[in-house]
Amino acid sequence: QKEVEQNSGPLSVPEGAIASLNCTYSDRGSQSFFWYRQYSGKSPELIMSIYSNGDKEDGRFTAQLNKASQYVSLLIRDSQPSDSATYLCAASGNTGKLIFGQGTTLQVKP
Amino acid sequence: SAVISQKPSRDICQRGTSLTIQCQVDSQVTMMFWYRQQPGQSLTLIATANQGSEATYESGFVIDKFPISRPNLTFSTLTVSNLSPEDSSIYLCSVVSQGAQAEYGYTFGSGTRLTVV
Repeated sequence: QKEVEQNSGPLSVPEGAIASLNCTYSDRGSQSFFWYRQYSGKSPELIMSIYSNGDKEDGRFTAQLNKASQYVSLLIRDSQPSDSATYLCAASGNTGKLIFGQGTTLQVKP
Repeated sequence: SAVISQKPSRDICQRGTSLTIQCQVDSQVTMMFWYRQQPGQSLTLIATANQGSEATYESGFVIDKFPISRPNLTFSTLTVSNLSPEDSSIYLCSVVSQGAQAEYGYTFGSGTRLTVV
């Protein structure tokens, strides 16, 4: 079992819609969770971090964490074609190591 | 947040040779991480490099193949040795850094694209 799991997609949404990206993790010792966006040929770029249960909003992005269910999600409102990228979910615990899921490819169609 | 300068950005190497990748950080950091991203795949952690001690390698990665140096708190190198075509990947270094509102995140270098021929 992989430590962090994501649906690889591709997830296709029309422009202006809400994109919902999901992630589960197996290590209950994980304390911090991150969503990265990666464009082809570029290094990952941090979008959101979340550490406690509940929702965290930043502009068009909302991260949700449910530690009991070991579940993390990212909602992107008013999706734009420029949001088309691979979204990587990652978790870290006491060791400080950041472990990534396999990534979900998002396609936003104009 | 920290800024990382990673080089080279890309290289084409002959089978059997080695490539050394450098990462320079603009601030002192305790831990540096090295990742591999194979074509079409996500990031896989190779090792954690702490200053003054040997690197800690993840399962499937060994020091003979991926020797790491960490001479000070701002610099690290990863060498990929005895290259084979299977080593063709992007290699990235990463550090933990503090951003806005005292939150922290992991910052990545720009990556080194290695092609082995």
